Amino acid sequence: GAVVSQHPSRVICKSGTSVKIECRSLDFQATTMFWYRQFPKQSLMLMATSNEGSKATYEQGVEKDKFLINHASLTLSTLTVTSAHPEDSSFYICSALSGSGANVLTFGAGSRLTVL
Amino acid sequence: EDQVTQSPEALRLQEGESSSLNCSYTVSGLRGLFWYRQDPGKGPEFLFTLYSAGEEKEKERLKATLTKKESFLHITAPKPEDSATYLCAVSGGYQKVTFGIGTKLQVIP
Repeated sequence: GAVVSQHPSRVICKSGTSVKIECRSLDFQATTMFWYRQFPKQSLMLMATSNEGSKATYEQGVEKDKFLINHASLTLSTLTVTSAHPEDSSFYICSALSGSGANVLTFGAGSRLTVL
Repeated sequence: EDQVTQSPEALRLQEGESSSLNCSYTVSGLRGLFWYRQDPGKGPEFLFTLYSAGEEKEKERLKATLTKKESFLHITAPKPEDSATYLCAVSGGYQKVTFGIGTKLQVIP
């Protein structure tokens, strides 16, 4: 089945630094990938839709300059958290549409970001 | 705006005690309803997609059903390894998927 690889799985950084998270579709091409953020005991919140070769579409309330998304190829999307602060600490999960008709979201394993 | 409400938020079952999880939804033009399983610290794992009212799908001890307003995930004779958070999600227009908060299931040996 479709596999989405995400890394790093855990990252700890100092406040003010930037962190990059990679998301790769291993055995299929993904023209569209999605980035989610998950807080404890809350729903997965869609942050942005990443489209290969074009600018990402951000959800309302998500800062474009804080969360930089690049989708340079059909198998790779990256999320860079710039000038991270403790409130950016969260679980970030990427996903891609797979399956016949591209109607199933396959998720990566997630990345736990802790900003000190 | 699409909405998904899951109940209960948490469920504790004895091993072998069957039960059901509920997912109520409102969506403009349902393209699909999804069930996922999520283990702590991991990304969601796909279980089922349902497309139209009356549809049912099964996988091992799990069975998902769909009506026009809600979906149920039935768990028959659960085992401790079924312990996880089960997420329900709907896809409406523009490929946007809206998730519920999930039901945290604990199966006690």
